[in-house]
Amino acid sequence: QKEVEQNSGPLSVPEGAIASLNCTYSDRGSQSFFWYRQYSGKSPELIMSIYSNGDKEDGRFTAQLNKASQYVSLLIRDSQPSDSATYLCAARLTGSGNTGKLIFGQGTTLQVKP
Amino acid sequence: DAGVTQSPTHLIKTRGQHVTLRCSPISGHKSVSWYQQVLGQGPQFIFQYYEKEERGRGNFPDRFSARQFPNYSSELNVNALLLGDSALYLCASSSTVYGETQYFGPGTRLLVL
Repeated sequence: QKEVEQNSGPLSVPEGAIASLNCTYSDRGSQSFFWYRQYSGKSPELIMSIYSNGDKEDGRFTAQLNKASQYVSLLIRDSQPSDSATYLCAARLTGSGNTGKLIFGQGTTLQVKP
Repeated sequence: DAGVTQSPTHLIKTRGQHVTLRCSPISGHKSVSWYQQVLGQGPQFIFQYYEKEERGRGNFPDRFSARQFPNYSSELNVNALLLGDSALYLCASSSTVYGETQYFGPGTRLLVL
């Protein structure tokens, strides 16, 4: 079982809709979770971090964490064609010790159609 | 403030050669992590350096090595290049050893022929 799993997609949504991206992780003790956006040919860009159960909102983005279900999600409201990218979920696992080692999922490709 | 910088942006090497990739972190950040991203996959952790000491090593062969300098910039070295080393090499900068909030540089795209 992979430590961080995402559906590779593509996930296709119409412009203005809500896009829902999901991620599961295997290490129950994991504390820190991150969502990165990566445009084709570019490097990952940090969108949001979340550490506690519940929702965290930043503009059109909402990250949700459910540690009991080992589940992290990212909602994008009012999706725009410019949101079309690969979204990477990352976790800092408890086995990381005193390091900043992040484990990434394979990413979900989002396509927002005008 | 400038973000994370990496050089070179692109590199073409042949099998058996070695390569040195460079990274400068965000000003004030003391931690540099290196990741390898193969096409279609998420980044994989290679190394982390904090205050010039190695703090973490991923599951990569000894052909991969790195170091961090007093100004917190870092080099990643790969010896005896293999075709499978072709990837995007990413440097991430953070202010703490725990790597909370890591910011990535633009990456170095390495092609091994």
